[in-house]
Amino acid sequence: NAGVTQTPKFRILKIGQSMTLQCAQDMNHNYMYWYRQDPGMGLKLIYYSVGAGITDKGEVPNGYNVSRSTTEDFPLRLELAAPSQTSVYFCATSPIETGRVDGYTFGSGTRLTVV
Amino acid sequence: AQSVTQLDSHVSVSEGTPVLLRCNYSSSYSPSLFWYVQHPNKGLQLLLKYTSAATLVKGINGFEAEFKKSETSFHLTKPSAHMSDAAEYFCVVIVSSNDYKLSFGAGTTVTVRA
Repeated sequence: NAGVTQTPKFRILKIGQSMTLQCAQDMNHNYMYWYRQDPGMGLKLIYYSVGAGITDKGEVPNGYNVSRSTTEDFPLRLELAAPSQTSVYFCATSPIETGRVDGYTFGSGTRLTVV
Repeated sequence: AQSVTQLDSHVSVSEGTPVLLRCNYSSSYSPSLFWYVQHPNKGLQLLLKYTSAATLVKGINGFEAEFKKSETSFHLTKPSAHMSDAAEYFCVVIVSSNDYKLSFGAGTTVTVRA
């Protein structure tokens, strides 16, 4: 099983460019999440989804958009990249039935630099 | 309001000595608590979890944590540090009874001296 796959692993963007961070899972988990990790700040929730067609904002949604057309995929879109979006981005999933007791499964991350 | 506070941003220990990583949480209901580890340039791996069963929880790689409700703490310990334990450790809590959103502490970086 691949688990949670994030692409790309690394990316450098210029200010104002746009890009999509991809996240795909093969575990049939309903819940999916996007976090960003900044040094000394832990992980902050950007957006999450409880199932196909349903998305909601987390703590730090500004500058990002998401969609969830299938159970498997949860892409994160940056429309106008800014230096403040330089970070490491993690996608995660959890099942409805055991998410509270088993926590999440994380992808390996996407390291994004905006210059 | 901060849900999770890791009291040490950096801990340095000698190989073979005990490790203590401190975590306090705030929650209005019985929380689910986790410790995750992140090795350099890697993703996050679940070390252990507390979900209202035994208060002393054993995890992978010799780590354990004790849930103390009276102190609202969930400290992580290991009796003897190994070089491979050098990593960043996150205390994480699910604070809501309505969803599974995780709240992360700021992290504790562990270095192990030979």
